[in-house]
Amino acid sequence: GQNIDQPTEMTATEGAIVQINCTYQTSGFNGLFWYQQHAGEAPTFLSYNVLDGLEEKGRFSSFLSRSKGYSYLLLKELQMKDSASYLCAFMDSNYQLIWGAGTKLIIKP
Amino acid sequence: DAMVIQNPRYQVTQFGKPVTLSCSQTLNHNVMYWYQQKSSQAPKLLFHYYDKDFNNEADTPDNFQSRRPNTSFCFLDIRSPGLGDAAMYLCATSRVAGQGADEQYFGPGTRLTVT
Repeated sequence: GQNIDQPTEMTATEGAIVQINCTYQTSGFNGLFWYQQHAGEAPTFLSYNVLDGLEEKGRFSSFLSRSKGYSYLLLKELQMKDSASYLCAFMDSNYQLIWGAGTKLIIKP
Repeated sequence: DAMVIQNPRYQVTQFGKPVTLSCSQTLNHNVMYWYQQKSSQAPKLLFHYYDKDFNNEADTPDNFQSRRPNTSFCFLDIRSPGLGDAAMYLCATSRVAGQGADEQYFGPGTRLTVT
């Protein structure tokens, strides 16, 4: 079967670093996406990993380990505007996205 | 510049009264998707089109139908909305399907309220 799991909620402090983990199980895999979604808005694309390792993009980095079925999103120098839900999703063998329920990140001053 | 446009942004309908949500895109993408998202839940794929090829997810209720008259436009019809259909409806597009992963571009969503 297929499943994907991420924590429901996390809290971090402005200026700090936070890591949001995502684990998944699937027989067919064509990459893992991270999206940011502010309350009441549509998801926006953050990153895509298909090979093992770390992809860095400014303050955001995403890591993938295919053998472990594991990814994380690392956010550095947190800003208040980073308060949002972060959704991970993997693409299965049919090129369909299987979505996690999202991690709500709360940033405190 | 708006790339994926959804109208209306907020829709209120009565229980059992048909409603149509619309989506248009200026990206000329082949693939269009309709998702339903309820609060604090993952987006749930209802349908997707690869060009005019229609793909219905197995667990999409018969109450939901979709039309894509041309590349740019896609519609979601809810024939007899129930209270459980109140949700955010997201339209998304991507360039290709089945040729490697491609990010999906989302519209702003239509929040549907059923009274």
